[in-house]
Amino acid sequence: AQSVAQPEDQVNVAEGNPLTVKCTYSVSGNPYLFWYVQYPNRGLQFLLKYITGDNLVKGSYGFEAEFNKSQTSFHLKKPSALVSDSALYFCAVRDGKDFNKFYFGSGTKLNVKP
Amino acid sequence: KAGVTQTPRYLIKTRGQQVTLSCSPISGHRSVSWYQQTPGQGLQFLFEYFSETQRNKGNFPGRFSGRQFSNSRSEMNVSTLELGDSALYLCASSSPGQPYNEQFFGPGTRLTVL
Repeated sequence: AQSVAQPEDQVNVAEGNPLTVKCTYSVSGNPYLFWYVQYPNRGLQFLLKYITGDNLVKGSYGFEAEFNKSQTSFHLKKPSALVSDSALYFCAVRDGKDFNKFYFGSGTKLNVKP
Repeated sequence: KAGVTQTPRYLIKTRGQQVTLSCSPISGHRSVSWYQQTPGQGLQFLFEYFSETQRNKGNFPGRFSGRQFSNSRSEMNVSTLELGDSALYLCASSSPGQPYNEQFFGPGTRLTVL
């Protein structure tokens, strides 16, 4: 069965420090992985995606994600957090066989304190 | 290109009523998916439409239905509203054909059932 897990409901980090938001996945076939961000009362905004190739993917707003096939993980990272990064982050995977299906993680609330 | 638009943005209904939400995808996108987002359940997949046909359906009761028109605009309907239907309903569109194509989300419709 396809699934995505975000083990942390909340991540707290001080402004200027590096941040990591964790995601692990289970999918048959090739994994197509995505990160989205959601600000209060807004829809989800696409940040980045992994298709194939380089395991380090760079995305919007200085975010990047590291794909690790052996650990089936796709952690979101940023070298230096900003207060404005505080939001809800979702990891998603596209079904490797039925491309019409997306599976979303439960979301991780990122709090960046000044 | 204009983004995904959803109308109305906010809606207040009472139990037992029915409601129709509308979604206009990005021009050229023929796949439209609907999600329900609640604080307790996270992001749950409702259904996905492509070329006026429902291709996938989540685990929701028959009170939840949808349709897609020839111009790819989509509507979802919830009949006999229950208090538990209060949620943010998100619509997402994507360009099918490539498994690595991300979904683009609208701002959502906030439904409150009293």
